[in-house]
Amino acid sequence: SQQGEEDPQALSIQEGENATMNCSYKTSINNLQWYRQNSGRGLVHLILIRSNEREKHSGRLRVTLDTSKKSSSLLITASRAADTASYFCATARYSTLTFGKGTMLLVSP
Amino acid sequence: DVKVTQSSRYLVKRTGEKVFLECVQDMDHENMFWYRQDPGLGLRLIYFSYDVKMKEKGDIPEGYSVSREKKERFSLILESASTNQTSMYLCASNVPGPEQYFGPGTRLTVT
Repeated sequence: SQQGEEDPQALSIQEGENATMNCSYKTSINNLQWYRQNSGRGLVHLILIRSNEREKHSGRLRVTLDTSKKSSSLLITASRAADTASYFCATARYSTLTFGKGTMLLVSP
Repeated sequence: DVKVTQSSRYLVKRTGEKVFLECVQDMDHENMFWYRQDPGLGLRLIYFSYDVKMKEKGDIPEGYSVSREKKERFSLILESASTNQTSMYLCASNVPGPEQYFGPGTRLTVT
């Protein structure tokens, strides 16, 4: 399986701090995506980074990809209580995605 | 905005019942997907479809079947529900393009 593995499993921070989540995967990919899931709801796409890219930004999100190490990181800067959610990386190969187990982020006011 | 809807948010069924989970998308997407999500296991792909009447097995198809008679609708069928199929079921669709759009999920409990 090329399932990604997120690290840490859970992260608790204060508002205003930065949150960093990591993802490792096993096989070659076309792209890697990050999704957010609020408690008990569906997933929402956050950002995509292609296999030939090393870094990408979107608002307070910064994603890096190291294909030699088969790893990616998601940085959320200046976190807010509303960022509290589970975050999943998903690796794309052809038409399907393989999701990791997720990182639960708790941002306290 | 893309909208993916699922027929029920919560569903309780008895062991042995036939269960239908419906998913509808309103953006003329080619691809549709069914996942189940379990604590500690993340999301796992059950089936997907890239066109009407076409289907492909995902990672865990056993115990499930699917139907796609119309482009906008993708149904997941549990022929004889079992307690180990208690889970959160998530439907998604895409163009095809890399990003998938998810429905709100159906939390199924089989007793």
